Amino acid sequence: DTGVSQDPRHKITKRGQNVTFRCDPISEHNRLYWYRQTLGQGPEFLTYFQNEAQLEKSRLLSDRFSAERPKGSFSTLEIQRTEQGDSAMYLCASSFKREQNEQFFGPGTRLTVL
Amino acid sequence: SQKIEQNSEALNIQEGKTATLTCNYTNYSPAYLQWYRQDPGRGPVFLLLIRENEKEKRKERLKVTFDTTLKQSLFHITASQPADSATYLCALLGRGSTLGRLYFGRGTQLTVWP
Repeated sequence: DTGVSQDPRHKITKRGQNVTFRCDPISEHNRLYWYRQTLGQGPEFLTYFQNEAQLEKSRLLSDRFSAERPKGSFSTLEIQRTEQGDSAMYLCASSFKREQNEQFFGPGTRLTVL
Repeated sequence: SQKIEQNSEALNIQEGKTATLTCNYTNYSPAYLQWYRQDPGRGPVFLLLIRENEKEKRKERLKVTFDTTLKQSLFHITASQPADSATYLCALLGRGSTLGRLYFGRGTQLTVWP
């Protein structure tokens, strides 16, 4: 399968714990994006990378959130001191660097904070 | 930023009819407007994009129009089938400092009944 993959698919954690998600993009793509989606809403942009450089961050990305893409391939999204409001689907997408920027999404990681 | 409104949360039509979904935005006209399909528990899947200088785009049974004067896009599925049942998301590309991100509407849930 050459699509975007995410791990884990589901994560249940207790409030205050740290969690880390992984995304493996389509190998030829140099851009990688993280979005958050809650029930009944569209995806909300969190951050994106071009190769290993983090080029843009949303104000949604509080100090408890950090993302990395150390070698310009896979990426990790860490949430520290999780809160119940962090419960959501976390989506990763990748794309080529081109003007029209159509994005290819992974299946998402469903986070539940108890 | 952009505020995006998609006509109704749910649209129910009979098989064989044409489904028409609406996407309205309030701020600047994007260089590109995209439509995605999302099935429950899965990531969005790219369907079509249209440039700001294009009036209409077609792909098989899908048609998208883009009116920058009205700040509106219409998405049509002709000869609809039950397999077309899903949530359809409108997405706009950012401009300037937000060029890398997509702004999504909350989606319209389409149900096609036999």
